[in-house]
Amino acid sequence: AQSVSQHNHHVILSEAASLELGCNYSYGGTVNLFWYVQYPGQHLQLLLKYFSGDPLVKGIKGFEAEFIKSKFSFNLRKPSVQWSDTAEYFCAVNARDTNAGKSTFGDGTTLTVKP
Amino acid sequence: DAGITQSPRHKVTETGTPVTLRCHQTENHRYMYWYRQDPGHGLRLIHYSYGVKDTDKGEVSDGYSVSRSKTEDFLLTLESATSSQTSVYFCAISERTGIGSPLHFGNGTRLTVT
Repeated sequence: AQSVSQHNHHVILSEAASLELGCNYSYGGTVNLFWYVQYPGQHLQLLLKYFSGDPLVKGIKGFEAEFIKSKFSFNLRKPSVQWSDTAEYFCAVNARDTNAGKSTFGDGTTLTVKP
Repeated sequence: DAGITQSPRHKVTETGTPVTLRCHQTENHRYMYWYRQDPGHGLRLIHYSYGVKDTDKGEVSDGYSVSRSKTEDFLLTLESATSSQTSVYFCAISERTGIGSPLHFGNGTRLTVT
């Protein structure tokens, strides 16, 4: 079974600061990797995904993530955060060699951006 | 946004009563999932479905059952609600498995068991 670990539970930044949120997963096979964002009071929305090819993937709103296979990591980055990025961020993984597409989520990182 | 409707949006119920939450999709996606979200635990999979009448358990399935009689509807039933089932429940759908298919989420149902 797969598992996901997000290292930072709560991150507080000032506007224009750079962001990096850590995500490590545990699974021996091929995986699809995702970052989702949940704005206050809303449902989860996809930020970006990786399934093959260039390990540096770009998503919406200036976010990007890098898949490092040797480290089982998929860290999320943004060069300059905005107040509107305040939200909870979830890393998720699903195993490609199953037929059910079940995703396992990390516990989430709450990002607070101070104006 | 994907066409996913969860009902009810909010519910307060008493311990020991049965509760059914509904997820309705208009996307004709094959895969449907029920997750619960609790502070400090992220999202945890309760049950999922990979087709009409095809369902299976997730990691926190005890005390829950599901049914899927039509492609568009996926019902989650708490057979006898307990306070530990107070949570926000999200339905999600996925078009396919394999390469890169993300989940699309409904707006959630906030359930309080008193």
